[in-house]
Amino acid sequence: AQSVTQLGSHVSVSEGALVLLRCNYSSSVPPYLFWYVQYPNQGLQLLLKYTTGATLVKGINGFEAEFKKSETSFHLTKPSAHMSDAAEYFCAVSDRYTGNQFYFGTGTSLTVIP
Amino acid sequence: SQTIHQWPATLVQPVGSPLSLECTVEGTSNPNLYWYRQAAGRGLQLLFYSVGIGQISSEVPQNLSASRPQDRQFILSSKKLLLSDSGFYLCAWSPDYLVFFGPGTRLTVL
Repeated sequence: AQSVTQLGSHVSVSEGALVLLRCNYSSSVPPYLFWYVQYPNQGLQLLLKYTTGATLVKGINGFEAEFKKSETSFHLTKPSAHMSDAAEYFCAVSDRYTGNQFYFGTGTSLTVIP
Repeated sequence: SQTIHQWPATLVQPVGSPLSLECTVEGTSNPNLYWYRQAAGRGLQLLFYSVGIGQISSEVPQNLSASRPQDRQFILSSKKLLLSDSGFYLCAWSPDYLVFFGPGTRLTVL
């Protein structure tokens, strides 16, 4: 079975500071990896994904994430936080062979301090 | 392009009342469909998923049920709501290895 762990349910950063949201997964084979963002009372929006190839993937809104197989991690980063980045962020995995099921972490709430 | 609809957007129901939430997807055929619940302060919990008409898999035993009467329609139901059913319900669809979410339904059970 696959699982996703997001360390830190709440993260606060100052505007302009580095954003780092952590995600580790547990899977017998490298899964597909995703980051989603959720603004209040809205559905989830895909930020970026890793399926194969380059391990550093770039997404929307200046976010990027790096797949590190040795660390079973897929941490999300952004060099400079903007007020509009305040939201809930979810890391997710899916099995690359079946693709039917998606497993989400418990989410990290990002607060940006002006 | 594909679009996913959910209704209603918000719902307030008394304990013990029935529930029916509807989700429809446009612009695709034979998608995988999912119901997730997001409770306050918690992550996303997969409730049901469906790979085709009439094919429903339940992830968590509870007083909810799901049905897929048509290819692009997915319904979440309950005969008697509990207080613990309150939450944000998200329908999602997947063409392959990606999953796309609907706008969600905020359910409050009083």
